[in-house]
Amino acid sequence: EAQVTQNPRYLITVTGKKLTVTCSQNMNHEYMSWYRQDPGLGLRQIYYSMNVEVTDKGDVPEGYKVSRKEKRNFPLILESPSPNQTSLYFCASSPKTGFGNTIYFGEGSWLTVV
Amino acid sequence: GQNIDQPTEMTATEGAIVQINCTYQTSGFNGLFWYQQHAGEAPTFLSYNVLDGLEEKGRFSSFLSRSKGYSYLLLKELQMKDSASYLCAVRGMNSGGYQKVTFGTGTKLQVIP
Repeated sequence: EAQVTQNPRYLITVTGKKLTVTCSQNMNHEYMSWYRQDPGLGLRQIYYSMNVEVTDKGDVPEGYKVSRKEKRNFPLILESPSPNQTSLYFCASSPKTGFGNTIYFGEGSWLTVV
Repeated sequence: GQNIDQPTEMTATEGAIVQINCTYQTSGFNGLFWYQQHAGEAPTFLSYNVLDGLEEKGRFSSFLSRSKGYSYLLLKELQMKDSASYLCAVRGMNSGGYQKVTFGTGTKLQVIP
């Protein structure tokens, strides 16, 4: 079954404690991205990756890091989380941009920073 | 950059038809998506338009006019389960020359009996 899997699904953490949200896809997609979703602001892109070892900032990259060492994995790293990073996070993947017409989303990760 | 506008909320009656509009501005347009999202869940794909015209898929249809930067999602024979947010998303070109998908803030549709 084609899917995007992200973990953890729910997490409460404290300010400053580094955390990683993992994302894995089994569709051999080149393109992966991370979004955060906040009330009234919609889905905002944090980082994206065009392929292995190719990443770039989205609209709201501050406070986040990513890596793409393997095609299937695209972890999101919060080096020093702060309360304003409390949000619902989605990982997404799609075939090479310009080809294919569907973006697949993970189930979402609810993150609370206290 | 990319800019997308869609109404924040709409209400419609069960069994009726509703049209959700989306206007956009982007460079290097390469497709428009509609997604459905129930509260707290992941968005699910509804439709994709890259050429002008109407795409029909069951109760859902999506229309695109590239010259006007305009799309709409048409939902027929509304059901209570259609109560959700509907996200318009546009694929265009970012400042770095890469293709990028930008989502609108979504239209929250409430279907009432």
